[in-house]
Amino acid sequence: SYELTQPPSVSVSPGQTARITCSGDALPKQYAYWYQQKPGQAPVLVIYKDSERPSGIPERFSGSSSGTTVTLTISGVQAEDEADYYCQSADSSGTYLVFGGGTKLTVL
Amino acid sequence: EVQLVESGGGLVKPGGSLRLSCAASGFTFSSYSMNWVRQAPGKGLEWVSSISSSSSYIYYADSVKGRFTISRDNAKNSLYLQMNSLRAEDTAVYYCARFYVDTGGHFDYWGQGTLVTVSS
Repeated sequence: SYELTQPPSVSVSPGQTARITCSGDALPKQYAYWYQQKPGQAPVLVIYKDSERPSGIPERFSGSSSGTTVTLTISGVQAEDEADYYCQSADSSGTYLVFGGGTKLTVL
Repeated sequence: EVQLVESGGGLVKPGGSLRLSCAASGFTFSSYSMNWVRQAPGKGLEWVSSISSSSSYIYYADSVKGRFTISRDNAKNSLYLQMNSLRAEDTAVYYCARFYVDTGGHFDYWGQGTLVTVSS
């Protein structure tokens, strides 16, 4: 079955830039989406269609794509950004949905 | 305001069955695909199943295929997940999520989840 691969953890100091990657063979063909999840809460969409930002999401969140890897970038990280982040996409047929394993962002 | 409210979770023995429900409000339910996503304790998100707006297209993750059945009742604005032959590894919070199709697709609204615990 199709898989998306994320690093388990990323750590940054406040004000620095955090980059979280997500790799998958079908990413050149399928859009990627990013969700933020804080403890005890449902996920919240922070990036859609690789690089679009939903209304209400701070400008410090951005997304990019290159080949089989997509990247979520958080510029000027704040303490409130500490959370788990998940990428989501679909297999090459677009039929089956998949999440990456998740990345825990720690703000030091 | 879009609301998704799950119910039906609880403690069940291995091999048992459970039926989850999701009550939707605040949008035209019959126009959207709907999904179930689960999250085992301390683990990541896992897509479980999806159903198109008219129930014409239904898909399952390999981990639940043949054991779980997704369905919907557009007249009642409700989504369901019938779970049979439950295993310990099915223990998770189950989320109902609306799916927005945009040349791809993503989950734009989520419920708060219902906990299913499979244990003897």
